[in-house]
Amino acid sequence: DQQVKQNSPSLSVQEGRISILNCDYTNSMFDYFLWYKKYPAEGPTFLISISSIKDKNEDGRFTVFLNKSAKHLSLHIVPSQPGDSAVYFCAAIARIWGSQGNLIFGKGTKLSVKP
Amino acid sequence: EPEVTQTPSHQVTQMGQEVILRCVPISNHLYFYWYRQILGQKVEFLVSFYNNEISEKSEIFDDQFSVERPDGSNFTLKIRSTKLEDSAMYFCASRAGGSSYEQYFGPGTRLTVT
Repeated sequence: DQQVKQNSPSLSVQEGRISILNCDYTNSMFDYFLWYKKYPAEGPTFLISISSIKDKNEDGRFTVFLNKSAKHLSLHIVPSQPGDSAVYFCAAIARIWGSQGNLIFGKGTKLSVKP
Repeated sequence: EPEVTQTPSHQVTQMGQEVILRCVPISNHLYFYWYRQILGQKVEFLVSFYNNEISEKSEIFDDQFSVERPDGSNFTLKIRSTKLEDSAMYFCASRAGGSSYEQYFGPGTRLTVT
């Protein structure tokens, strides 16, 4: 049962262009979302998060958009750089369940940024 | 910058043996987690630990698994009798607590059960 879905296993983008990574979720109890980047042989690195009370959060080149009615979020990277090439994971938390914050991850999207 | 560390980076063990995976979370963090990622699959939650006790665990975390924070700095995951299907990357994570839900991950331990 995939509660967090990343339907694109891979994405290729030219350097300098925008990368858009998508994530859908099925559980309406999720109220906090995070994006992580992962290089091979390393642990996931936190990038950016968004609470369900917002529809946008921006941090430098990274912006996350949340559409609650569609249960969809996206991560925009602009401009994309070759160093952004990695696997990007979307994760969600249902804080209102009194959760201790355990993350439910999607399967990831492998981003390749070509020079 | 503070970081989560894990040892060993790679552990090879025979089926049925016990393994202990070690983690040192970020020092002022209050919540600790173990996740695993089987090759080609998604990262899965195993267990969370707060105030010296397990706060949540997944169905993966059965009686063969245990966690401990023996000395206020280390956080360990023990698998009592390893199975072939326990082969995976195991990630430790920690978070500060309060209104901060961002978790910071260690580099992982690759466990290979033969």
